[in-house]
Amino acid sequence: GQQVMQIPQYQHVQEGEDFTTYCNSSTTLSNIQWYKQRPGGHPVFLIQLVKSGEVKKQKRLTFQFGEAKKNSSLHITATQTTDVGTYFCAGNYGGSQGNLIFGKGTKLSVKP
Amino acid sequence: KAGVTQTPRYLIKTRGQQVTLSCSPISGHRSVSWYQQTPGQGLQFLFEYFSETQRNKGNFPGRFSGRQFSNSRSEMNVSTLELGDSALYLCASSPQLAGSYNEQFFGPGTRLTVL
Repeated sequence: GQQVMQIPQYQHVQEGEDFTTYCNSSTTLSNIQWYKQRPGGHPVFLIQLVKSGEVKKQKRLTFQFGEAKKNSSLHITATQTTDVGTYFCAGNYGGSQGNLIFGKGTKLSVKP
Repeated sequence: KAGVTQTPRYLIKTRGQQVTLSCSPISGHRSVSWYQQTPGQGLQFLFEYFSETQRNKGNFPGRFSGRQFSNSRSEMNVSTLELGDSALYLCASSPQLAGSYNEQFFGPGTRLTVL
């Protein structure tokens, strides 16, 4: 079945270091969304990428969608303690828009 | 606008029992999706409802079912509970505007523990 692989599973960084998480699908995605879940919280939408090769920025966060629409990445520059949480990518394979296939997430911890 | 609400927030049941969870989407949102979150399997899609119709179903056994009412509120039911059903059940609503892909707004979840 359709699957979205996400790595790494965990990342521990010193505050100020950069962080990147990667997602990969074996089949072409219609779009990919990114969510952040704080400890004890629920996933919160960050961004959606739709176009091949798309790059979007939100302050220190940079999101990329691969040319083949099979992979995506989230890069955080100069992490802060407020970035702590689990980052999920979620792929949509077309058809219904309410069916997201989530990666297992990357849990980010930031040491001050 | 009020966010997605889920009731109850916590639930403890024993094996073999059944449970019903409720979700009220954001006003105006017609799509409601349900996800199961566990440490081992992560976030897994259960089903999606749109205008009272199940539009998509994930790879879960028939013990998991749901429905949506005319006011878009949704319920999911799990019958004959098993220990492995212990999880955080998340409901998400989306406006589902025509011609665009829509973000999912998640509720706080219902933490189900099966003893």
